[in-house]
Amino acid sequence: QLQLQESGPGLVKPSETLSLTCTVSGGSISSSSYYWGWIRQPPGKGLEWIGSIYYSGSTYYNPSLKSRVTISVDTSKNQFSLKLSSVTAADTAVYYCARRSCYSSWFDPWGQGTLVTVSS
Amino acid sequence: QSALTQPASVSGSPGQSITISCTGTSSDVGGYNYVSWYQQHPGKAPKLMIYDVSNRPSGVSNRFSGSKSGNTASLTISGLQAEDEADYYCSSYTSSSTLYVVFGGGTKLTVL
Repeated sequence: QLQLQESGPGLVKPSETLSLTCTVSGGSISSSSYYWGWIRQPPGKGLEWIGSIYYSGSTYYNPSLKSRVTISVDTSKNQFSLKLSSVTAADTAVYYCARRSCYSSWFDPWGQGTLVTVSS
Repeated sequence: QSALTQPASVSGSPGQSITISCTGTSSDVGGYNYVSWYQQHPGKAPKLMIYDVSNRPSGVSNRFSGSKSGNTASLTISGLQAEDEADYYCSSYTSSSTLYVVFGGGTKLTVL
């Protein structure tokens, strides 16, 4: 059974870089049928797609975040990572990692999510 | 960033059926059969309930069904149960710019 788990600091200072890692277990991140993505949800608000990466390293980012986002993959560790630079309070959210089908747009499964608060 | 339009809330009594709409454009919902629906209970991660408009993943109750007409997709829950009370989000592939994936604003389902 495929499982995803987010990890990283729960508190980041304004203007610094948010860094999260998603560890995939129960399956290979090198599958040719899936992308691996990040989605966030500000407290009390809806879902926002941040970006996705293929095991080869090809990336796709939300245009509204593209200038600040970097997603990378480490196939040897079965992990992929998110970096979001120059964070502000507006970046406070629960960050989820999830697997996405290459042939559609659905995400499944999702990690449990991790709350990242931007505050000094 | 564009978002798909969902009603903020819907409600129904146990045993009844409800439908949640998700309205987009010809660049997303209307142009592709790549609409998915997610259920999210408080404090939990979203769970895929419907994919590619009307397909149910293994393990999802057949009380959940999806459909699409033009630029509007719909999620119908029949035989409403207390455990169905949750937030529901639709999502679609989009060819608008390089966004690729767009979500709806979410609908709070209350079981009366």
